[in-house]
Amino acid sequence: QSVLTQPPSVSAAPGQKVTISCSGSSSNIGNKYVSWYQQLPGTAPKLLIYENNKRPSGIPDRFSGSKSGTSATLGITGLQTGDEADYYCETWDTSLNTGVFGGGTKLTVL
Amino acid sequence: EVQLVESGGGLVQPGGSLRLSCAASGFTLSSHWMSWVRQAPGKGLEWVANINEDGSKKNYVDSVKGRFTISRDNGKNSLFLQMSSLRAEDTALYYCARVIGIDEAFDPWGQGTLVTVSS
Repeated sequence: QSVLTQPPSVSAAPGQKVTISCSGSSSNIGNKYVSWYQQLPGTAPKLLIYENNKRPSGIPDRFSGSKSGTSATLGITGLQTGDEADYYCETWDTSLNTGVFGGGTKLTVL
Repeated sequence: EVQLVESGGGLVQPGGSLRLSCAASGFTLSSHWMSWVRQAPGKGLEWVANINEDGSKKNYVDSVKGRFTISRDNGKNSLFLQMSSLRAEDTALYYCARVIGIDEAFDPWGQGTLVTVSS
C-alpha cells in the first residue's frame, strides 16, 4: 500500500490528452513539492516534472504538472506511442521523514 | 555529462551482506544530497535512504533501519549502501539518484544494480 495513491492504469488514443492523478495528505503533498517520473520498459526512471510544475531541460512542454491541496496531476498532451510507460509521483513525507512514491500508473496509448 | 553508475549487486543468501557502490561523474558530488531507490521485480519504486552533502544527516525507510547504512566519499565521487541481514524481500534493482531542487526530486538516476537474496 503506497503512501501516495495513483490509478493503476490510464489509456488514450494517439494525439489525445491524458491526466494522471496522485493523492496524498497534509504530511506529504499538502506541504511539499511533487515530482513525476517516466519509466519506459526496461529502463531507469527519468525525471519529467519537479517542484510541482517545472520541467528539466529536454522535457517537451507536452508534459505538465500541477498541484492543488493534497493532490497532484501530471498531464500529457499530443500522446505518442513512445509515451507508453509507467509514471510515478513522488515527494517527501514529513511524518515518515522519508521520500514516498505513488504506486505507479501504466499508460497505454491505444 | 552527468552520470551515475551502480555496482556491487549479486546473489546473496538470506542473512548475508552486500555493499553497493555508485560512481558519480560530471558534477560536484559534495554539492548534492544523494538517495537510493529500489524496485522489486515487477513492482513499483520504493525510496530506501538518503544522505546529505557532507554525510552528517541520513534517513532510512523503516524496513531497512538497523540493517542498511548509506555513506559517501566525496573525494572519490562515490556513494555507498552497506546492506546486512538481507531478506528475500530486499530482492530488487537498486538505483542511486542525485537529489535536485526542493523536496527530494531525483535527476539523474543510474542504470541500477540487481540484488537477489535467495538460498
